[in-house]
Amino acid sequence: EVQVVESGGGLVKPGRSLRLSCTTSGFTFGDYTISWFRQAPGKGLEWVGFIRNTVYGGTAEFAASVKGRFTISRDDSNSIGYLQMNSLKTEDTAVYYCSRGSGSYQAYYFDYWGQGTRVTVSS
Amino acid sequence: DIVMTQSPLSLPVTPGEPASISCRSSQSLLHSNKFHYLDWYLQKPGQSPQLLIYLGSNRAPGVPDRFSGSGSGTDFTLKISRVEAEDVGVYYCMQALHTPITFGQGTRLEIK
Repeated sequence: EVQVVESGGGLVKPGRSLRLSCTTSGFTFGDYTISWFRQAPGKGLEWVGFIRNTVYGGTAEFAASVKGRFTISRDDSNSIGYLQMNSLKTEDTAVYYCSRGSGSYQAYYFDYWGQGTRVTVSS
Repeated sequence: DIVMTQSPLSLPVTPGEPASISCRSSQSLLHSNKFHYLDWYLQKPGQSPQLLIYLGSNRAPGVPDRFSGSGSGTDFTLKISRVEAEDVGVYYCMQALHTPITFGQGTRLEIK
């Protein structure tokens, strides 16, 4: 059974950092893209960024709103993905979801999602 | 960025009746491999999003066959042949052809 579990959320002050983890099981982690999405309170879904599998260089891409502040990494040996969030802003407040992406160089669907972890940026 | 526009944004439906949601993209979602990189997701109340349809018209495993996706180029449609109470939630279309990946605003389906 495929499982995706996010952790690491919490309350953080503006300008500080937080690292989210995406712990997975039930599939060959190294074969898939790992993507992060977020949903601000009462709002729709927003893509944050993803990291491709190592076949495609393990390269990452990001939304403009987080580029330069957020990084994504992956630990294929332990089937865990990470979202490092630096210089956090109040507008980064959201539930963050990790998802498995399927496809080739460009993942074209996301079939397993975690339950989300809440990040609140406030002084 | 590719802009995704859904309509309607609110959809009250009587159980057993059909429902349809439209999604339009600001540019074609046709990949060179001849597939359209358009997905549909449903977020039920209090839950994470779940994949319904991928590559425009392919039902994800476990998705009931009352759900169908169609369309091409820039115009896509999600149809539910007979709405059931468990179908309530917010439906999103999403394009994955180009980054940034973008979503429609969401369509909230409610039962009359």
